[in-house]
Amino acid sequence: QQQVKQSPQSLIVQKGGISIINCAYENTAFDYFPWYQQFPGKGPALLIAIRPDVSEKKEGRFTISFNKSAKQFSLHIMDSQPGDSATYFCAASILYNQGGKLIFGQGTELSVKP
Amino acid sequence: DGGITQSPKYLFRKEGQNVTLSCEQNLNHDAMYWYRQDPGQGLRLIYYSQIVNDFQKGDIAEGYSVSREKKESFPLTVTSAQKNPTAFYLCASSIGGTSGSHEQYFGPGTRLTVT
Repeated sequence: QQQVKQSPQSLIVQKGGISIINCAYENTAFDYFPWYQQFPGKGPALLIAIRPDVSEKKEGRFTISFNKSAKQFSLHIMDSQPGDSATYFCAASILYNQGGKLIFGQGTELSVKP
Repeated sequence: DGGITQSPKYLFRKEGQNVTLSCEQNLNHDAMYWYRQDPGQGLRLIYYSQIVNDFQKGDIAEGYSVSREKKESFPLTVTSAQKNPTAFYLCASSIGGTSGSHEQYFGPGTRLTVT
């Protein structure tokens, strides 16, 4: 029940296209859903995050869509660029419990072709 | 220049030796975390600490130990009891506390190779 399932494992998108990565969770107590971006050999960096009281959050070309009833959330990258090529991780946590532990998805390796 | 530092970037050890990975932060964060990352897998939590002199086991604590004697430091020891120690180790911190943000900020990582 603590798992977060992420798909696809890898994704190839043409420059200018839309990249979509999906995550699903079981634990309805989760109340914080961040997305991280990681370049090879580097630590992950927080990209965007959402709380379950909103269905969508947009920051620049990055949008999180959240479906509470389906227990799913997704990351959309609009106008994908080669510089977006990285591994993306979704995560979930219970903010004010268990020390804010993050449960991570397995990751999606995105490659944006020029 | 605030942030999280991990040293060294690459570490090589012989099997059977204990090794300690360093993690320092100057963000004045209360909470600190250690994760392990293996190829094709997400990050798995080893240990976390919400306050000085206190820490809890994560999901894969066996074969690891930590200490939190100072707010800014959270070293991880990989002991000889850890069966598969070769991995990329990531340290993170967050403001923590009951009213602080739990956004986690990661260090650059240490790649440990044990042969």
